[in-house]
Amino acid sequence: QVQLQQWGAGLLKPSETLSLTCAVYGGSFSGHLWSWIRQPPGKGLEWIGEINDSRTTNYNPSLKSRPTISVDTSKKQFSLKLTSVTAADTAVYYCARLMAYGNAFDIWGQGTMVTVSS
Amino acid sequence: IQMTQSPSSLSASVGDSVTITCRASQNTFMYLNWYQQKPGKAPKLLIYGASSLQSGVPSRFSGSASGTDFTLTISSLQPEDFATYYCQQTYSPPMYTFGQGTKVEIQ
Repeated sequence: QVQLQQWGAGLLKPSETLSLTCAVYGGSFSGHLWSWIRQPPGKGLEWIGEINDSRTTNYNPSLKSRPTISVDTSKKQFSLKLTSVTAADTAVYYCARLMAYGNAFDIWGQGTMVTVSS
Repeated sequence: IQMTQSPSSLSASVGDSVTITCRASQNTFMYLNWYQQKPGKAPKLLIYGASSLQSGVPSRFSGSASGTDFTLTISSLQPEDFATYYCQQTYSPPMYTFGQGTKVEIQ
């Protein structure tokens, strides 16, 4: 049974870089797309970007060039860096797997609350 | 592609049948998914491909499509179904967009 476990710093100051990592347990890393999704407090879900095991990435254009998603296939981990954070980046951040059939997010991490405050 | 979900909230009783609608601004070719989210938890996939039930999800949940309009129906609401529901299109990467959410509350 595939599980995603994520971790990273939960409190940042404005202009700092957010850094989160997600590890894949119990399943294959290849053949899937791996995404980061966030949810501001009391609000809806926003897709940030994705990566595959070939390191091909796609990003939400609304975030401009701030996010970078990378992968370490040997460790079955993928990571998110988001530069120049502001209070608007305060959110719960989730990692998730896009399943190979059906194009839907079937496995999610537990979520990490990231607060940006001076 | 913009996803417009309605209603934003609804009140219902256990045993009721409820319907949530999601309208896409363009054709998503059935790449439409539904998720359930409970407070403090990650979303859970219910329906993918507009009408396919995810493994382990009760059969009281169903999805349908008509053009760019999609519907999630819960046929007999159970106490554990009170949650927020989101639609999502995955037709047009690199921008997987979610609806605004529908909160289902106990009447």
